[in-house]
Amino acid sequence: AQRVTQPEKLLSVFKGAPVELKCNYSYSGSPELFWYVQYSRQRLQLLLRHISRESIKGFTADLNKGETSFHLKKPFAQEEDSAMYYCALSKDNNDMRFGAGTRLTVKP
Amino acid sequence: GAGVSQTPSNKVTEKGKYVELRCDPISGHTALYWYRQSLGQGPEFLIYFQGTGAADDSGLPNDRFFAVRPEGSVSTLKIQRTERGDSAVYLCASSPRLVDEQFFGPGTRLTVL
Repeated sequence: AQRVTQPEKLLSVFKGAPVELKCNYSYSGSPELFWYVQYSRQRLQLLLRHISRESIKGFTADLNKGETSFHLKKPFAQEEDSAMYYCALSKDNNDMRFGAGTRLTVKP
Repeated sequence: GAGVSQTPSNKVTEKGKYVELRCDPISGHTALYWYRQSLGQGPEFLIYFQGTGAADDSGLPNDRFFAVRPEGSVSTLKIQRTERGDSAVYLCASSPRLVDEQFFGPGTRLTVL
């Protein structure tokens, strides 16, 4: 069965500090992993997907199959990064499975 | 252009009643998805459509839930004999085709009293 675990419900850092949002998954096949973000009073939107290997808004995420992790990282957090972040897994980008989410607060 | 829209934005109903939630996808998007998000949880997959057909409805919790997309565009999620546990935000998303980025709507907040 597919499962996504985000161990931290809340994460608070100061502006300019590095940030890492953890995501672990369980899936027996080759998963596609995603990070979605929801800013205050906005819709859920795609931040990045592992297959693209992009850096979006300074965020990166590396798929570690050995540790079954897909942690989201940014070297210098900004106040506008404050949002709800969801890690998601899909075997074909259709029946997406989301984690419970981590609320990131970047303090000035 | 217009994004995914969902109506109503809020729906309050009584236990046992029937409700319909509507989703208007982005024009031209062939894939459409329904999710349910309970308080403090991530979105939970319910069903997705490719065109008019339900390609995967394995996430529907029971036979009180049903969804249609008769013309391959607008979709309606139907819940019969609502229960208090059905209270949640119901999200709809669409994508140009399968395996593309999903674009989410604002959601419908359903409250069952």
